[in-house]
Amino acid sequence: GAVVSQHPSRVICKSGTSVKIECRSLDFQATTMFWYRQFPKQSLMLMATSNEGSKATYEQGVEKDKFLINHASLTLSTLTVTSAHPEDSSFYICSARPSGLAGPYGSTDTQYFGPGTRLTVL
Amino acid sequence: AQKVTQAQTEISVVEKEDVTLDCVYETRDTTYYLFWYKQPPSGELVFLIRRNSFDEQNEISGRYSWNFQKSTSSFNFTITASQVVDSAVYFCALSPDTGGFKTIFGAGTRLFVKA
Repeated sequence: GAVVSQHPSRVICKSGTSVKIECRSLDFQATTMFWYRQFPKQSLMLMATSNEGSKATYEQGVEKDKFLINHASLTLSTLTVTSAHPEDSSFYICSARPSGLAGPYGSTDTQYFGPGTRLTVL
Repeated sequence: AQKVTQAQTEISVVEKEDVTLDCVYETRDTTYYLFWYKQPPSGELVFLIRRNSFDEQNEISGRYSWNFQKSTSSFNFTITASQVVDSAVYFCALSPDTGGFKTIFGAGTRLFVKA
């Protein structure tokens, strides 16, 4: 099956530093990747949609200068949390939608999720 | 509005009991997908099922079954003969056609299965 990896799985950093999280589709190409954030005991909230070769689309309320997204290739998207603060501590999950998949109703929404990255900012 | 409501925050059952997790969704789109995911303590999302809006057939997979009713905008999930390993948070999610099938998650239902 389609596999998505995230690296690192866990990161602890000091306040003010930047942290980069990688999301890779291992056995398929993904034109579109999504980044989610999950606070403890809460649901997943979509942060942004990452499109290969173009700028990411951010959801309302998500600071694009704070959460930099780069989707430089069809198998890799990165999320950089810049100048991280304790309130950025969260579980970050990416998902990838395979390119070229078309169901009977047009585009399909088969997303494969990564295992998540737990960020702790001290 | 696009929305998923999982009214049950937590459910606690004893092993071997059947349990139903409720999911009600809102969308004006005629084309959409519905999902259920399981999130064990490790945090990784486990895909359980995807259903498109044109397929109202109920589905059974082992101890799991799903009941999709468009008339009531519900997509309920039943676990038969629950086991301790079923303990997890379960999310219902909606991907409507509008907006490129972005996924909207419900708040989740935390299921505790006691031995």
